[in-house]
Amino acid sequence: DTGVSQDPRHKITKRGQNVTFRCDPISEHNRLYWYRQTLGQGPEFLTYFQNEAQLEKSRLLSDRFSAERPKGSFSTLEIQRTEQGDSAMYLCASSLIGPPRSYNEQFFGPGTRLTVL
Amino acid sequence: AQKVTQAQTEISVVEKEDVTLDCVYETRDTTYYLFWYKQPPSGELVFLIRRNSFDEQNEISGRYSWNFQKSTSSFNFTITASQVVDSAVYFCALSDFVSSGSARQLTFGSGTQLTVLP
Repeated sequence: DTGVSQDPRHKITKRGQNVTFRCDPISEHNRLYWYRQTLGQGPEFLTYFQNEAQLEKSRLLSDRFSAERPKGSFSTLEIQRTEQGDSAMYLCASSLIGPPRSYNEQFFGPGTRLTVL
Repeated sequence: AQKVTQAQTEISVVEKEDVTLDCVYETRDTTYYLFWYKQPPSGELVFLIRRNSFDEQNEISGRYSWNFQKSTSSFNFTITASQVVDSAVYFCALSDFVSSGSARQLTFGSGTQLTVLP
């Protein structure tokens, strides 16, 4: 399977602990996105990378959140001092930049479900 | 700011019925993209269709069709002859149009839970 993969699929942690999620995009994709989805809602944009550069961050991404994509391939999303409000599904997506005025879909991974107790 | 509204929270139909999912959007951009994604119980978002704002031609793809009306900012999605496997949450989404290709982000609606009963 050459789709987007995420690890772990599920994470249960206690409030105040740090957690880190990993996303492996489709191999040739140079754009990587992170979204957060809470129960009963649609995904909300957090941040995205083009290669290793982080180009945009949502105001949802507080100082406790940090994302990296050091070699322009996989990405990690770390949440420090987790709070119960951080409980959500964290989705990763990737896409490939195409020629001007073209559009390439974002392909989503299965997500990491975080539960903060 | 962009906003997508899916007023239907849940819809139930009987297998083989047609079903239409409504989507209304707000944007200040003059060019943009609209999408429908499906999220089955497994959780993975699956891309279904995309429409450019500068092309209002409505199309049919298999059992899927869509009705894009720029004048009313609506992008409705129809499944013909629904099947039990169509049961999922369906999301409408909006993205900006960037001339360099590939949008920066998607803005999603809150989703419509479709249940197709046998």
